[in-house]
Amino acid sequence: DTGVSQDPRHKITKRGQNVTFRCDPISEHNRLYWYRQTLGQGPEFLTYFQNEAQLEKSRLLSDRFSAERPKGSFSTLEIQRTEQGDSAMYLCASSFRQPMQETQYFGPGTRLLVL
Amino acid sequence: DQQVKQNSPSLSVQEGRISILNCDYTNSMFDYFLWYKKYPAEGPTFLISISSIKDKNEDGRFTVFLNKSAKHLSLHIVPSQPGDSAVYFCAAGETYSGGGADGLTFGKGTHLIIQP
Repeated sequence: DTGVSQDPRHKITKRGQNVTFRCDPISEHNRLYWYRQTLGQGPEFLTYFQNEAQLEKSRLLSDRFSAERPKGSFSTLEIQRTEQGDSAMYLCASSFRQPMQETQYFGPGTRLLVL
Repeated sequence: DQQVKQNSPSLSVQEGRISILNCDYTNSMFDYFLWYKKYPAEGPTFLISISSIKDKNEDGRFTVFLNKSAKHLSLHIVPSQPGDSAVYFCAAGETYSGGGADGLTFGKGTHLIIQP
């Protein structure tokens, strides 16, 4: 299977704990995106990387959220001091940059529940 | 403010008939558009896309139409099949010549139900 993979698929944590999610993109893709999806809404863009460079992070929801892509391959999204409002599906997508067209392929997501 | 709007939360269509899903956008900087299909507990699956230099793109049973002057696009599925029952998301993006771009902006989705 050469699609986008995410781990874990589900995470239950207590309020105040830190959580980290991993995303492995399609191998030849140079761009990696993180989104959050809550019930009844479409995915909401958070941040993205081109290779190892984080080119946009102003959309991260608060300073409790951070993302890394240290070697330009897999990425991690960390949420510190989780709150109940962080409960959502966290989606990762990857793409190969092309002019006028950029198809992003999504992974299965990590569902987070903060108690 | 919602830059991408899908005004129909749900749509019910008989099997074999045409399904038409609509999407409106407000940001004139968007220049490529995508449709994704999503089943519960899964990530969105890419269906079809169109860039702003075209007004139609077809792939098998799926056709996307773009009306730039009306800032409107639609997805046609012909014929509709039971496996098409899912939530469909319209998404829009903005290419950026400087080497960076924001992610996609999504609508809230339309739940398509294909009835036998």
